[in-house]
Amino acid sequence: GAVVSQHPSRVICKSGTSVKIECRSLDFQATTMFWYRQFPKKSLMLMATSNEGSKATYEQGVEKDKFLINHASLTLSTLTVTSAHPEDSSFYICSAREGHNEQFFGPGTRLTVL
Amino acid sequence: KQEVTQIPAALSVPEGENLVLNCSFTDSAIYNLQWFRQDPGKGLTSLLLIQSSQREQTSGRLNASLDKSSGRSTLYIAASQPGDSATYLCAANNNAGNMLTFGGGTRLMVKP
Repeated sequence: GAVVSQHPSRVICKSGTSVKIECRSLDFQATTMFWYRQFPKKSLMLMATSNEGSKATYEQGVEKDKFLINHASLTLSTLTVTSAHPEDSSFYICSAREGHNEQFFGPGTRLTVL
Repeated sequence: KQEVTQIPAALSVPEGENLVLNCSFTDSAIYNLQWFRQDPGKGLTSLLLIQSSQREQTSGRLNASLDKSSGRSTLYIAASQPGDSATYLCAANNNAGNMLTFGGGTRLMVKP
């Protein structure tokens, strides 16, 4: 299957700082990328959907100014958690698809905000 | 709005047992349904994808069935092994926007 990578895999930051997470499709053109959040022992919750070159569509309850998403190319999307606080600590997973094909998931990024 | 439920939330079985994981969804107008495996602290690995026109899919010791009319899917694991220990997630893909709605997952522990 297609490969999606995320960087970094783990990040620890101080409260009030911003953190950027990258999601890359390695062997296909990701026309759409999705960002999910997962709390411990919970399922994935969709945060936002981004189409290359367009503004992201955020799910209800997700602050767009808090979670900045950029999808500037067909292989890269970034999620920036601005002014992070401890309650933002979570596991963030991206997925990508080409057209209406199957979604392929990245390995996730563990964010810990102190 | 689609809602996906998985039962049981956790399951512990001895090695060698055959087992069934259940997934139910409220909106039967799905495009496809997918089963994933997630190891602790890791991303998702796709196991099986069943199109809405299909009744089942098989891969090795895994068999997934789909009954749209009743809003149910099952994942059957034959001859379970300790390496099968993981969380199994099902996700329904509805036609509108090709969005995946995930169930809460079943945490499986296979004891040697």
